[in-house]
Amino acid sequence: DIVMTQSPDSLAVSLGERATINCKSSQSVLYTSNNKNYLAWYQQKRGQPPKLLIYWASTRESGVPDRFSGSGSGTDFTLTISSLRAEDVAVYYCLQYYNTPLWTFGQGTKVEIK
Amino acid sequence: EVQLVQSGAEVKKPGESLKISCKASGYSFISYWIGWVRQMPGKGLEWMGIIYPDDSDTRYSPSFEGQLTISADKTISTAYLQWNSLKASDTAMYYCARQDGRGWPDFWGQGTLVTVSS
Repeated sequence: DIVMTQSPDSLAVSLGERATINCKSSQSVLYTSNNKNYLAWYQQKRGQPPKLLIYWASTRESGVPDRFSGSGSGTDFTLTISSLRAEDVAVYYCLQYYNTPLWTFGQGTKVEIK
Repeated sequence: EVQLVQSGAEVKKPGESLKISCKASGYSFISYWIGWVRQMPGKGLEWMGIIYPDDSDTRYSPSFEGQLTISADKTISTAYLQWNSLKASDTAMYYCARQDGRGWPDFWGQGTLVTVSS
């Protein structure tokens, strides 16, 4: 089974500053046949279901603000919020779908305002 | 418009059985996997299992295999999560989610809160 490990577990960032969340997979989620990383990022606000932000590690879902960006390949990935806004307070999860239809989530990273 | 509408909150006693539902609309139900995700109070998301409604091909996370049953009725575009004997540790929010054809969950239900308490 692929294990997804996020860091840090939580972080506090000032409004307008950058937030960086890391996600590491226990094995590569890069399919060499199509050169795609099977990694997605989700945002979950309190009391709501998760919302898809990014898929293929770096492709923003339609309607997601461009302050959210994803990067990385193989086993190491990053979600960056370039300029934190109050509405970005949430828990963020990475998810691997390399073993589709089986999914694995990271443990989550809580983002708060400093 | 794709929608997944889950059944309402449940309060049960340990040992009781339960079946919760996830009704899909706005797309071809039989053509997409539907997965179930658990979120215990104050905790993260855990993938439980997934079903392909057209042929009922079902896969379970090893952590949940044998503890519950995932099923689907394609005649009414509804997926189910079922327990035969609930435990207090089953207290959680349960989400269903459609898997995009390319692999990731794209649309989510609103969640069903299950509380198991004596």
